[in-house]
Amino acid sequence: DAGVIQSPRHEVTEMGQEVTLRCKPISGHNSLFWYRQTMMRGLELLIYFNNNVPIDDSGMPEDRFSAKMPNASFSTLKIQPSEPRDSAVYFCASSMGSREATQYFGPGTRLTVL
Amino acid sequence: QQPVQSPQAVILREGEDAVINCSSSKALYSVHWYRQKHGEAPVFLMILLKGGEQKGHEKISASFNEKKQQSSLYLTASQLSYSGTYFCGTENTGNQFYFGTGTSLTVIP
Repeated sequence: DAGVIQSPRHEVTEMGQEVTLRCKPISGHNSLFWYRQTMMRGLELLIYFNNNVPIDDSGMPEDRFSAKMPNASFSTLKIQPSEPRDSAVYFCASSMGSREATQYFGPGTRLTVL
Repeated sequence: QQPVQSPQAVILREGEDAVINCSSSKALYSVHWYRQKHGEAPVFLMILLKGGEQKGHEKISASFNEKKQQSSLYLTASQLSYSGTYFCGTENTGNQFYFGTGTSLTVIP
């Protein structure tokens, strides 16, 4: 079975540009999570969807960040405009059930904002 | 609100045991444990729910002390493959989820 799929795997962009990260969760999973990982801040939960509905977005840094889940098999995380401090690895994870269920992580997208 | 893990880093020889602790300032509902190898995504190890005290996974087990708002991960007879960074993830009773500060574990021959 395919695991969580993220694209692109690497993204290099210039400050001010719009960045869109994509995630396809494991089929049948109904919870989806976006995380950001940096050396300074470690792993941070950005947003959590359950049944395509955002349940907890308290970790979204600011208005420049937005996330959508139009259907059960696709989610996007958008940064507009991007800034150098957004450089990080962004992980998407999915699970069957609610937040206490096992989370399966995608390979991550390494974002570099110049 | 981020749980604090200790130690920050540990180096072991193959066959030695280690304990990694995770402490929260808030009452916990569940604790997850993950291992992440360099350049890879975190991989789930186990979850402990409120009311469940201990779980095991091969030579890796964990305990959850609700009263102390703490969890500990026990690695016995460590193997080279155990090397990586271990994270606890805690969901508190306010439905907030945070990963811990991480513990770097290095197993040497």
